[in-house]
Amino acid sequence: DVKVTQSSRYLVKRTGEKVFLECVQDMDHENMFWYRQDPGLGLRLIYFSYDVKMKEKGDIPEGYSVSREKKERFSLILESASTNQTSMYLCASSLFVPTSRDRDQPQHFGDGTRLSIL
Amino acid sequence: RKEVEQDPGPFNVPEGATVAFNCTYSNSASQSFFWYRQDCRKEPKLLMSVYSSGNEDGRFTAQLNRASQYISLLIRDSKLSDSATYLCVVTHNYGQNFVFGPGTRLSVLP
Repeated sequence: DVKVTQSSRYLVKRTGEKVFLECVQDMDHENMFWYRQDPGLGLRLIYFSYDVKMKEKGDIPEGYSVSREKKERFSLILESASTNQTSMYLCASSLFVPTSRDRDQPQHFGDGTRLSIL
Repeated sequence: RKEVEQDPGPFNVPEGATVAFNCTYSNSASQSFFWYRQDCRKEPKLLMSVYSSGNEDGRFTAQLNRASQYISLLIRDSKLSDSATYLCVVTHNYGQNFVFGPGTRLSVLP
């Protein structure tokens, strides 16, 4: 069965701290994604990665960075946490589909991390 | 205009009712389509993929109309456990772009 594991369900940090959110998938997926979800704003893409050491900015990358040193692990880093980064963070992965004739494969999500910045 | 739009609801329906959700998308290059459900304070979970010919999974039926850029989800014989937010998702760029709609909230009432 598909498994995406996020390191923490709940996390409380202080303003200015460097925060690491970890995500591991066991499906050998090429694509990995980080989203944040806030009430009334839906899912917003922060960063995604389609291969080891590769990363692409999403819609709201400011204040975040990512690291993908191994295929199965994708880390989200808050360089200097601020209160407006309090949110639900969701990691997802999906299989790369090499041709346009094939259907894209769905994303599979981790349980999410509820991050509070005080 | 957002790339994927959905009626936000909420839809409040009695148990046993049939309910339909609509979703429109603006990018004609969109390749694949999915419906996810999300329970309160939980992660989105894949409900079903949407195929051009339409597809059914038990009480759930999904339809795609590429010409009108429109996707639908029909739920028959609603159960209390169907209460959730339903997210429409379209993809493009070989699965590197997943665009989520804002979601439609469903409450099934006893």
